[in-house]
Amino acid sequence: DTAVSQTPKYLVTQMGNDKSIKCEQNLGHDTMYWYKQDSKKFLKIMFSYNNKELIINETVPNRFSPKSPDKAHLNLHINSLELGDSAVYFCASSQGSTGIKGYTFGSGTRLTVV
Amino acid sequence: QKEVEQNSGPLSVPEGAIASLNCTYSDRGSQSFFWYRQYSGKSPELIMSIYSNGDKEDGRFTAQLNKASQYVSLLIRDSQPSDSATYLCAVNIMGRSGGGADGLTFGKGTHLIIQP
Repeated sequence: DTAVSQTPKYLVTQMGNDKSIKCEQNLGHDTMYWYKQDSKKFLKIMFSYNNKELIINETVPNRFSPKSPDKAHLNLHINSLELGDSAVYFCASSQGSTGIKGYTFGSGTRLTVV
Repeated sequence: QKEVEQNSGPLSVPEGAIASLNCTYSDRGSQSFFWYRQYSGKSPELIMSIYSNGDKEDGRFTAQLNKASQYVSLLIRDSQPSDSATYLCAVNIMGRSGGGADGLTFGKGTHLIIQP
């Protein structure tokens, strides 16, 4: 059973398009996150959701919007895609606000904007 | 800006030797510390977590934490070729959002190569 699953695994799209990435976790965790890993492999947090409430919104463009229909799902919508958005996007989840037992990552979505 | 610093490497270690990976962090409010392993094209995988000063051992892995020096390390004993990967140090700063959720701040990772 996959603990944190993301779809799609690969996404190739043209500049200006709008796309979504879906994430689901079956761990019963109450907090979910989106991370971006750039071409230099630097992993940086974008958003976190705790009990369906946005807790952190790092300085990402407002073209990116997280949406959580319930605590097991956190989807990422991206409008007006730009070349610089090309990266690997990871969804993650943790139990509790401190994630004291660690964070579990999904397998990632490789987004390529052409 | 709160930062986590790691030597990017590559760090080359002979098979069977001890690999030592180091990490420093800038925020004294940091409470939880993690080491993740990431193979090329794969997602980060939790190796160790540590919260108190001192050593924590799990199999061939030992995490060391020194909060006074703001320093975290990971030792890998009896290194195997399968240990070759990028090791990411991550720090969780609690209470950053008024008691709400906090994400992990990652270092840029150390690329470890175990030579057979």
